[in-house]
Amino acid sequence: SYVLTQPPSVSVAPGQTARITCGGNNIGSKSVHWYQQKPGQAPVLVVYDDSDRPSGIPERFSGSNSGNTATLTISRVEAGDEADYYCQVWDSSSDHPGVFGGGTKLTVL
Amino acid sequence: EVQLLESGGGLVQPGGSLRLSCAASGFTFSSYAMSWVRQAPGKGLEWVSTISGSGGSTYFADSVKGHFTISRDNSKNTLYLQMNSLRAEDTAVYYCAKQSRTVTTRWFDYWGQGTLVTVSS
Repeated sequence: SYVLTQPPSVSVAPGQTARITCGGNNIGSKSVHWYQQKPGQAPVLVVYDDSDRPSGIPERFSGSNSGNTATLTISRVEAGDEADYYCQVWDSSSDHPGVFGGGTKLTVL
Repeated sequence: EVQLLESGGGLVQPGGSLRLSCAASGFTFSSYAMSWVRQAPGKGLEWVSTISGSGGSTYFADSVKGHFTISRDNSKNTLYLQMNSLRAEDTAVYYCAKQSRTVTTRWFDYWGQGTLVTVSS
């Protein structure tokens, strides 16, 4: 089955740019979706279809996908962005198509 | 406003059964695939199962195939997860999630607040 690999943690100072990666075999050929989860809360979709944002998600959140790596970029990071972030793909060629990455803890220093 | 409200979680002994429900509102329920996603304590998200809008197609993670069943009642706008032969490793918060899609991909655009299932003697 398809595997998505994320770094366990990323740290960034307020106002700087955070980049969270999601690795997978030829992931650039798939569409990647990103979720933010704060402690004790349900996940929230922040980017879908590689780079689209749902309504209500700040423009500071953006996504890209090419080759073997997809990236969630958070510009002008704020303390409220501290959370776990998960990437996800839908592997239509598989009998078990739902796939999540292991998650990345974003710490705002 | 889309709302998803899970219920049915609780403490169950190993080998026991439990049925989770998810009451949906704020969208045309029968037009969308629905899914269950779980999160073990301190761990990441794990996709569990998906059912198509009509209920005619279902998908399961290998970890639950054969002992979980997903179903839906479109007349009641409700999604279900029947969990049998429960094991300690099934302990998790179970989230109900609505899916959106394009021709080539699917994502989870709305989530419920989750219901905790604890499997322990």
